[in-house]
Amino acid sequence: EVQLVESGGGLVQRGGSLRLSCAASGFTFTNYWLTWVRQAPGKGLEWVANIKEDGSERYYVDSVKGRFTISRDNAKNSLYLQMNSLRAEDTAVYYCTQYSSTWGWIDPWGQGTLVTVSS
Amino acid sequence: DIQMTQSPSSVSASVGDRVTITCRASQDISSWLAWYQQEPGKAPKLLIYTASSLQSGVPSRFSGSGSGTDFTLTISSLQPEDFATYYCQQAKSFPLTFGGGTKVEIK
Repeated sequence: EVQLVESGGGLVQRGGSLRLSCAASGFTFTNYWLTWVRQAPGKGLEWVANIKEDGSERYYVDSVKGRFTISRDNAKNSLYLQMNSLRAEDTAVYYCTQYSSTWGWIDPWGQGTLVTVSS
Repeated sequence: DIQMTQSPSSVSASVGDRVTITCRASQDISSWLAWYQQEPGKAPKLLIYTASSLQSGVPSRFSGSGSGTDFTLTISSLQPEDFATYYCQQAKSFPLTFGGGTKVEIK
């Protein structure tokens, strides 16, 4: 069974930094692109970033470019999101997910970790 | 960027009703569209991919159709567990984008 378990969320001041982690199991980690998706409280889904199987390609939504960095450690079956210069509008539940580069879907999803940026 | 517009934003329906949700892309995305269901307090779950392919394990009362810019998600006979929020997502190009969501509520 695929499991994606996020950690690292919490309360941080505006302008601060936070590093999210996602521990993956139940699948061959190096065969999959991975994705971060976020959801602000009471709002819809927003794609944040994608990373290719070997880390050679990364894509970001414009609103986080230059502030967030997606990375992975294939030896540890782990995905990361380094978030710097945090803003109030970054407050959200952040989900770690698999991404199918063949079919374009995002699934399955972790349970999410809440990031709250205080102003 | 490709914008995704869903309608309606909410719908009230009864168990057994047929429910249709539409999603429009701001440009041609061929069949590169997925649909997700999100129950309150839970992570989203994939229902449909490439516009009309049913994900394994998803009940056959869910179906998707469309291509180009206009797409539809249909629930043929609404069940109690289907009361949730539904999102479309374009998979044509980065940045991936979602529709605003459609909340299916109990009438």
